[in-house]
Amino acid sequence: DADVTQTPRNRITKTGKRIMLECSQTKGHDRMYWYRQDPGLGLRLIYYSFDVKDINKGEISDGYSVSRQAQAKFSLSLESAIPNQTALYFCATSDPRDRESRQYFGPGTRLTVT
Amino acid sequence: GEDVEQSLFLSVREGDSSVINCTYTDSSSTYLYWYKQEPGAGLQLLTYIFSNMDMKQDQRLTVLLNKKDKHLSLRIADTQTGDSAIYFCAVRNTGGFKTIFGAGTRLFVKA
Repeated sequence: DADVTQTPRNRITKTGKRIMLECSQTKGHDRMYWYRQDPGLGLRLIYYSFDVKDINKGEISDGYSVSRQAQAKFSLSLESAIPNQTALYFCATSDPRDRESRQYFGPGTRLTVT
Repeated sequence: GEDVEQSLFLSVREGDSSVINCTYTDSSSTYLYWYKQEPGAGLQLLTYIFSNMDMKQDQRLTVLLNKKDKHLSLRIADTQTGDSAIYFCAVRNTGGFKTIFGAGTRLFVKA
């Protein structure tokens, strides 16, 4: 079984709709991240959480919100989706005890906003 | 702010060596990574190097670091069609809370 899972894997939604992307992990890591990937721009950090009570904005948090329901779950919400939020979204985890700070990624959610 | 740059495309013939280059701006970068993204999948850590090293070899992979020029490269020897993927360079500084990723280099391997 995958250590980091994301649901849904693909989603098409209309402008103005609210949508939630979910991430679950079985790695037991405290740290979780949400990134978006756009062609030619690489990965940009949306939000990150170092534990259940700690939520921080990344470089492109406008238009997004998150919820850390448990150590294993970190959800990303788009309150009112717009077309330029069409992208590939990745969840990742890391272990603060890992000196190399390696990140472990989910398979991604491809979101299309029409 | 911190920036990581890499070329977007590289095409090589099967059996040749591939060299993917990356430059970064943060001189305090301590951990430098290469991630691989295969089609339809998330990123997987391929290898990494600490800033106090200038080379790391792992089977077909060789990572070279030039701290003076802030240049990182990944060499894949005997490139195979299965190496076709997007390769991301990423850097992180000691005590930093985030990893900065480059845009990714798409490697095409021609049979």
